[in-house]
Parts: sequence; C-alpha cells; structure tokens
Amino acid sequence: NAGVTQTPKFQVLKTGQSMTLQCAQDMNHNSMYWYRQDPGMGLRLIYYSASEGTTDKGEVPNGYNVSRLNKREFSLRLESAAPSQTSVYFCASSEARGQGEKLFFGSGTQLSVL
Amino acid sequence: LAKTTQPISMDSYEGQEVNITCSHNNIATNDYITWYQQFPSQGPRFIIQGYKTKVTNEVASLFIPADRKSSTLSLPRVSLSDTAVYYCLVGDRGSTLGRLYFGRGTQLTVWP
Repeated sequence: NAGVTQTPKFQVLKTGQSMTLQCAQDMNHNSMYWYRQDPGMGLRLIYYSASEGTTDKGEVPNGYNVSRLNKREFSLRLESAAPSQTSVYFCASSEARGQGEKLFFGSGTQLSVL
Repeated sequence: LAKTTQPISMDSYEGQEVNITCSHNNIATNDYITWYQQFPSQGPRFIIQGYKTKVTNEVASLFIPADRKSSTLSLPRVSLSDTAVYYCLVGDRGSTLGRLYFGRGTQLTVWP
C-alpha cells in the first residue's frame, strides 16, 4: 500500500523560481492537506481540500496556490519562491473515524530556496 | 478551534511508563482528541484517538477525564525507538471542516 506519495523528496530553488509539489493518495480519502514544518516548530496548515473540487486557506496560505486535480491528487504551487519558504512540506489525507479525523502523511519534501 | 497546550519536552529512561498531558480547556462538545507521533525526517503518524474515558490500543493508552479539558497519553515501558515528537490535536469533522492544527508538540527523549 503506497498511502500518500509526495514528489519530489528534495528540491533547491533560486529566489523567484516557481515549482509545483505533487501529492497523490490511494486510500480514496475525501480530504487532503498541505502543511509546512520549520525547524523546531510544529506543522502549520497551508491549504486544505475538504473534497474534490474545493480548496480553502489554512493558517499560512500567502505565497502558495493549490489545485485539487481529482480525488487522488492535490498539488501545491509556489509561483515565486522566497527564502522564507524554505521548509519541509508534508501532504496528508484523512478519513473520518466517527466524528474524528485520522490523518495519513506523506514522507515530506525538503525545499530550500536560495 | 480548540487550542492545546503540551509540555515542550520530556525525558525518560528505557522501561519506564511515560505520561504526556495535553490541556484543551475550550474543547467543544463534538471534538475528538487525537495524538500523533513524529520521527525525524518523517511525517506524523496516528497513534490513538478518543472522546471520553479511556482508550487503549497496542501502542498506547489515552485517558480523558469527565470534563474533557485535558487528556493524557500513556506509553508503557518506553524504548529508545519511542524518542519522537508527540502532538495532541482536538477537533471534529463538522466544525473544523477537516482542518486540524498542530502545535509544537512534546519532544520525548528516551535514554538508555
């Protein structure tokens, strides 16, 4: 079982460059998320998608855009990368357990912006 | 959204029981309490979830008092491999519309 797959695992960008982080899940989950994690910090929500065709802003959406391409795929785009976006990015999907959610995470993308 | 408060760090020795307490004073009626574990260079992994009283699985136990304003994750007989960051989250699908916020978590270090 692949679960949540993120690509690429590592990326180095120059300031002003653009790139798209890809995420796919094979668990038929409705909800998908993008988080970033900075050193010594917890995860901060960038964007989420409650279901196919919908997206919404999280805690730190500035500088990012997302696309929920279909039920499986949720991409994160940096249009003009900045050094402040150097971070580890995690994609997740979730299933509802009764009322509570259970999140499944990918292995992360280490992004450095020079 | 209910905010949680956890200790920043804890230390233990192999074989001991570890209890990590999370405070969530403004937990809502429909909120569940969920704990995740994160190892370095990996995404968080679900450990346990509960609503009230006690929940136990093969990894941990979760104790929730009647007022639900706090919860305690209990790890029995920890080993070196339990060294990780542990996150406490509260929320439900309805009110949070699927959004779940992580705090800084608790860094647990297990020593030999």
